[in-house]
Amino acid sequence: SAVISQKPSRDICQRGTSLTIQCQVDSQVTMMFWYRQQPGQSLTLIATANQGSEATYESGFVIDKFPISRPNLTFSTLTVSNMSPEDSSIYLCSVEPGANTGELFFGEGSRLTVL
Amino acid sequence: QKEVEQNSGPLSVPEGAIASLNCTYSDRGSQSFFWYRQYSGKSPELIMSIYSNGDKEDGRFTAQLNKASQYVSLLIRDSQPSDSATYLCAVTRSNNNDMRFGAGTRLTVKP
Repeated sequence: SAVISQKPSRDICQRGTSLTIQCQVDSQVTMMFWYRQQPGQSLTLIATANQGSEATYESGFVIDKFPISRPNLTFSTLTVSNMSPEDSSIYLCSVEPGANTGELFFGEGSRLTVL
Repeated sequence: QKEVEQNSGPLSVPEGAIASLNCTYSDRGSQSFFWYRQYSGKSPELIMSIYSNGDKEDGRFTAQLNKASQYVSLLIRDSQPSDSATYLCAVTRSNNNDMRFGAGTRLTVKP
């Protein structure tokens, strides 16, 4: 398993601003994943972040809107840029501590509300 | 067709009954299958993983996989009110490690 700390846990943001979410893991992991969960919906993968390379984005998500950093094997950030009310969602960081098990562990999530 | 489909529910069962949650997936080459439980306002937590056809039991939980039918299920025996949550089915695609989630089934266990 892994202990994952995310912050902020929640925030209320103004339209047009940007917010950076931080994710810290208590152990080194190869890949970190960023998911979005909109109200009443399931999880949608935004991107996969590998240390030392650019993140891989899923269809419908672009780097300009969701820039990601992965400076080391225990930390990543996701920025939600130029926010609009449609970006109101829970953003979740997750990791796969056991290589190639597919078993994901999630942070507590960051609930963003954009006014 | 969605990659992972679940009946959204809500599914309501009385305490002590068996709850049966079902999931189908579209990618025939999928390799790994998972059930996550998500309490309201919380993040998902892994409760079961299954990789080969058949049944896998862990306490009150049994996962069942049928790759030919592209079907995976979760049975919860002796359901408890504390089992009330949304259950997410997840599948890893055959060409990479990222996971696709179903929309989830909301389960309510009534005392």
